[in-house]
Amino acid sequence: QKEVEQDPGPLSVPEGAIVSLNCTYSNSAFQYFMWYRQYSRKGPELLMYTYSSGNKEDGRFTAQVDKSSKYISLFIRDSQPSDSATYLCAMTSYNTDKLIFGTGTRLQVFP
Amino acid sequence: EAGVTQFPSHSVIEKGQTVTLRCDPISGHDNLYWYRRVMGKEIKFLLHFVKESKQDESGMPNNRFLAERTGGTYSTLKVQPAELEDSGVYFCASSPDRVLPTDTQYFGPGTRLTVL
Repeated sequence: QKEVEQDPGPLSVPEGAIVSLNCTYSNSAFQYFMWYRQYSRKGPELLMYTYSSGNKEDGRFTAQVDKSSKYISLFIRDSQPSDSATYLCAMTSYNTDKLIFGTGTRLQVFP
Repeated sequence: EAGVTQFPSHSVIEKGQTVTLRCDPISGHDNLYWYRRVMGKEIKFLLHFVKESKQDESGMPNNRFLAERTGGTYSTLKVQPAELEDSGVYFCASSPDRVLPTDTQYFGPGTRLTVL
């Protein structure tokens, strides 16, 4: 069983839609949760991170962590064509720098 | 500020050959990481350097892979001899002195390795 599960998509939505991206995980030691965005032929770029449970908002993006359910989400409001990319969740525990990634969800926002 | 650079961007080799990938981290970043993404799978951690020392090499798949970071600047990842299953995209990332695990790891564009 993978430590992190993520639906690979693709997810296709119209411009302006609210997008929900999700990951589940099995390792209860994970404390730090991140979302990376990766454009085609580029490296992953950190979008948001949260520590333990709770919500964090940054502009059109909101990250949520529910440790009791081992479930994390990224919401994108008012999605734009420029948001079209692969979104990767990643997580790690306190005493390591090793990031554990999901497989990524490919998102396409069409005008 | 220049980002993480990787060379080459693409490499196509035959099974049994040797390939060396290079990563130049962001200047001043002591931490350097190698990750790999095999087709259809998730990005997986290979190892972590702090300056020239290997901090964690738990993700290295086998002894055909050798990573070095002489002088604590650029790093090389050598695969010798290459096997078909080594095909994938190899990412390098770097970060400055880290206070929290979420202190950003900046990723390079990756080297796409194809073993025929």
